[in-house]
Formats: sequence, structure tokens, C-alpha cells
Amino acid sequence: GAGVSQSPRYKVAKRGQDVALRCDPISGHVSLFWYQQALGQGPEFLTYFQNEAQLDKSGLPSDRFFAERPEGSVSTLKIQRTQQEDSAVYLCASSLERRDPYGYTFGSGTRLTVV
Amino acid sequence: GQQVMQIPQYQHVQEGEDFTTYCNSSTTLSNIQWYKQRPGGHPVFLIQLVKSGEVKKQKRLTFQFGEAKKNSSLHITATQTTDVGTYFCAVYSGGGADGLTFGKGTHLIIQP
Repeated sequence: GAGVSQSPRYKVAKRGQDVALRCDPISGHVSLFWYQQALGQGPEFLTYFQNEAQLDKSGLPSDRFFAERPEGSVSTLKIQRTQQEDSAVYLCASSLERRDPYGYTFGSGTRLTVV
Repeated sequence: GQQVMQIPQYQHVQEGEDFTTYCNSSTTLSNIQWYKQRPGGHPVFLIQLVKSGEVKKQKRLTFQFGEAKKNSSLHITATQTTDVGTYFCAVYSGGGADGLTFGKGTHLIIQP
């Protein structure tokens, strides 16, 4: 597609619920990144995929967070047993290569609110 | 991993005034990228700087990379209301880690 597509745009979850956030990157983009952005802060790295391989998950805050990209295109970020501190915007980004000189293309994000 | 400090955190300017944001690192950077995020929007890539002392211009925006490759700046001449947003610098973490590390950003507020 023309850009990175994320769904849903907004998600309200009750504390303890599981959520799944979807990212559809630009076609042909090998690299896919998930970031978490709290209000008024910069994006914080969560995890990185090269094709279907998850090469870096050092930023995932706990074992409640899980990401996958089984066919090397669409990716899903799953959060189990959501907590209030998980409330944030979750951004997906893709690029042609890991260190792309043309930077990342970000999606519009999913705003998660845990109540 | 690499950390970058951005200053100022907030900048209020009158429309037509100039604006500068600075990004500083304690270690030498391989390169640096700049992004702009409009209110309610997502980060949009502006530019990458690689060479020591590099200066790049995009219309009213001027980007500089320090001689020691430890700092960078973004300068906007004669701000317009369309410049409102948060400007982030971003660098690759050390040790070959894969994701960009973003600064906390400078929020530009423009008063008409």
C-alpha cells in the first residue's frame, strides 16, 4: 500500500483484557518496528523484525507483550492482561532496510486506553 | 545504548520568528535523523545527516551535524503556523542494536 496502515485507530480495554494491534507495512519493506509513545514523550523502541524474523525484542516492557510477523508482511502486537500503565500510542514503522537513509515511515498509530 | 538530549523541551515563538532545536550526545554518532510530529499525528521523516560538519537545507529548514558528530541542530527561519509540532532527533543505539532511539523532542508552539 501507499503507507503504513494500523488498526484499530483507537482501543479501549478493561484492565486485564488482552488486546491485539495490527500493522500493515508498506509493500516490500523488509524492516518493521514497533514503538510505544506516551503522551508528550518521544517514541520508545519495542521490537524489530526483518522479514518474519524478530531480531530485537529488547524494548518489550514485560512478558505480557508479544509481537509476530509470520509471513514477513503484516505484524501483530499483542498485549496480555493489560494494565493501566500500558495506556499509550503504539506506533508501527517500516523501512526498506534496517538502517534506511530515508528513515522510517510510521503509521498513524493505535491509541490504547486501559480503564 | 545511545542517548540523546534535546533542548529546549518547549519553545514558544511569534509567527515569523526563527526557531532552533538542539540535539546532544555524549558519544560520537554514526548519523542522526530528524522527524516532525504534528499534534495528533505520527512522526514524519525529515532528513538524515551523516558527515561531520554537514549542513542540509529544506526550504526554511536548516539541519547541521557538528564537527565532532556529537550534536546536531534544526533551525527554522521565519516560522509559520504550519511548523507547529514536535521535532525529534533520532539515533541508532550503540552495539549494532536495531531500532532508532528518539530524543524527547522539542515542542514548537507558534503564536499568531
